[in-house]
Amino acid sequence: KQEVTQIPAALSVPEGENLVLNCSFTDSAIYNLQWFRQDPGKGLTSLLLIQSSQREQTSGRLNASLDKSSGRSTLYIAASQPGDSATYLCAVWGGSYIPTFGRGTSLIVHP
Amino acid sequence: SAVISQKPSRDICQRGTSLTIQCQVDSQVTMMFWYRQQPGQSLTLIATANQGSEATYESGFVIDKFPISRPNLTFSTLTVSNMSPEDSSIYLCSVEGTGVETQYFGPGTRLLVL
Repeated sequence: KQEVTQIPAALSVPEGENLVLNCSFTDSAIYNLQWFRQDPGKGLTSLLLIQSSQREQTSGRLNASLDKSSGRSTLYIAASQPGDSATYLCAVWGGSYIPTFGRGTSLIVHP
Repeated sequence: SAVISQKPSRDICQRGTSLTIQCQVDSQVTMMFWYRQQPGQSLTLIATANQGSEATYESGFVIDKFPISRPNLTFSTLTVSNMSPEDSSIYLCSVEGTGVETQYFGPGTRLLVL
């Protein structure tokens, strides 16, 4: 059974810092890995999707990498801003249409 | 991508009552999903709803507690029945992506049961 772990569970940083959020998964036989953002009490917004044949994806200040063999992904946030404050969820698809989610990293960026 | 709306966005309910949550998609989709996110937890899949067939429930979830309807390819409802405070959660609707394994999520329904 796939298990997804996200470290750290919570993070508080001053504005302007570069951040790395980590996601690890136990079964490397995945199709995709996706990073989502969730604002408090809200739904999920897709940030980046990495297919199994890809190593990384970039969107603006966000960069996500994938190392299938080691079962790891990282989400890099450059020059963090208070508006980046949210929970970041990692999800993996492993051969079915049902993803496995991590518990998320709660990020606070203070001015 | 798909645009998904949910109603209501939030509600406060008394224990013992039921609430029906609606999910509307702007395009026709085969598979729709209902998730629950309890406070401080990640997402847990409740059931998969395909049009024209009974919903498929995950372990720990039963139809009597969470009846689901899927009358057409753009709409689904989830009812939370005989609610207790333990049902206080965010309930999320999602739909399958096209061409790649992914899902698009609705804005969620935030439920508080007193």
